[in-house]
Amino acid sequence: GAGVSQSPSNKVTEKGKDVELRCDPISGHTALYWYRQRLGQGLEFLIYFQGNSAPDKSGLPSDRFSAERTGESVSTLTIQRTQQEDSAVYLCASSSRQGTNSPLHFGNGTRLTVT
Amino acid sequence: DAKTTQPNSMESNEEEPVHLPCNHSTISGTDYIHWYRQLPSQGPEYVIHGLTSNVNNRMASLAIAEDRKSSTLILHRATLRDAAVYYCILRKGFDSGNTPLVFGKGTRLSVIA
Repeated sequence: GAGVSQSPSNKVTEKGKDVELRCDPISGHTALYWYRQRLGQGLEFLIYFQGNSAPDKSGLPSDRFSAERTGESVSTLTIQRTQQEDSAVYLCASSSRQGTNSPLHFGNGTRLTVT
Repeated sequence: DAKTTQPNSMESNEEEPVHLPCNHSTISGTDYIHWYRQLPSQGPEYVIHGLTSNVNNRMASLAIAEDRKSSTLILHRATLRDAAVYYCILRKGFDSGNTPLVFGKGTRLSVIA
């Protein structure tokens, strides 16, 4: 079946502009996660959504970052007033059902370049 | 969160078995051991997970020490497509909802033809 889909795959923006990154999770997956991966670095957790519970925003690096999710479907990560240090690959993942052993399924990410 | 320690890099010959070690001396009784890998220019993919007993699936085997303070991911026959960064991650095993994975630096596996 279809995996996690992210769009766009690449985004180049000027410093100071706002950007929106989209994630379409696997249908029926209740949990959705956003991560950031800077060049040559590991994955940094940003935010996760679990069903109708309040999202865990503990990984968001600043108030310029926000995310929304409509029900158990699409999520949008918004970065306002982008800075050069925001350049990274932004990865989305989803997982099914309750319990912490459901594997995460990742998309291939959006590569964001801030010039 | 309990931490894991992995070698930065390893090298293997093609079609040889590969043993990727992971130390997790502060593991708690409710922590599951998960392995993911990330191929170049892709998002991570799930490999295997376990609690106490050794586990096998189509991708790999997971050998867990009796005291659970270490584990080893075993690729039985490395191929060039197995070249990736392998992450060993501990994740709480309670049913209060999914929790995010905390990724370390992982082990970069190179496979030589």
